[in-house]
Amino acid sequence: DGGITQSPKYLFRKEGQNVTLSCEQNLNHDAMYWYRQDPGQGLRLIYYSQIVNDFQKGDIAEGYSVSREKKESFPLTVTSAQKNPTAFYLCASSTPRGSGRALNTGELFFGEGSRLTVL
Amino acid sequence: GNSVTQMEGPVTLSEEAFLTINCTYTATGYPSLFWYVQYPGEGLQLLLKATKADDKGSNKGFEATYRKETTSFHLEKGSVQVSDSAVYFCALRSGGSYIPTFGRGTSLIVHP
Repeated sequence: DGGITQSPKYLFRKEGQNVTLSCEQNLNHDAMYWYRQDPGQGLRLIYYSQIVNDFQKGDIAEGYSVSREKKESFPLTVTSAQKNPTAFYLCASSTPRGSGRALNTGELFFGEGSRLTVL
Repeated sequence: GNSVTQMEGPVTLSEEAFLTINCTYTATGYPSLFWYVQYPGEGLQLLLKATKADDKGSNKGFEATYRKETTSFHLEKGSVQVSDSAVYFCALRSGGSYIPTFGRGTSLIVHP
């Protein structure tokens, strides 16, 4: 079945360590996104990528980095510069709205999330 | 810019009660509108969508109608179940934008 896979589901990090969250999709989507969710909060956009080898900062990119070397993969690295990294991280993908496909409405498809805790 | 405003929660209901979660938006052009649901510890799932004015999206007993005149997309369900307890997000995408706009989410708690 097509979908988005995030790993690991739970991750613990010591202060000062970088960690990388994996996101893989087999939906053949061009666009991919990383969001951060804190308890009782909405979604905040970290980075997004419209196409391979291209990505843009979202609203809270400081302390994070990404790469998009393959269409299927969009890993997120939480660096030691991120001062408060404990959160739930969500990866998503979509086709652009109005891409020409008859049934495309531009909805996002989300992974199951990765919960990062800093010890 | 685009924005989505949804009612603050939590919304607490008894089983079989009627549910309404209000959502209003501001956007350029003619956006597509969405409701997503997030169960505890999981990612978001698309619940329903509408792509043009007066369209009604429906799924699992939930409904929402795209009202352009009032810029609203309120979520309704006639009889909620305990299993509907979750956080519900209203969202839109306008034009050729790669970036959707999400509301802050509304927590629904249904008691037996």
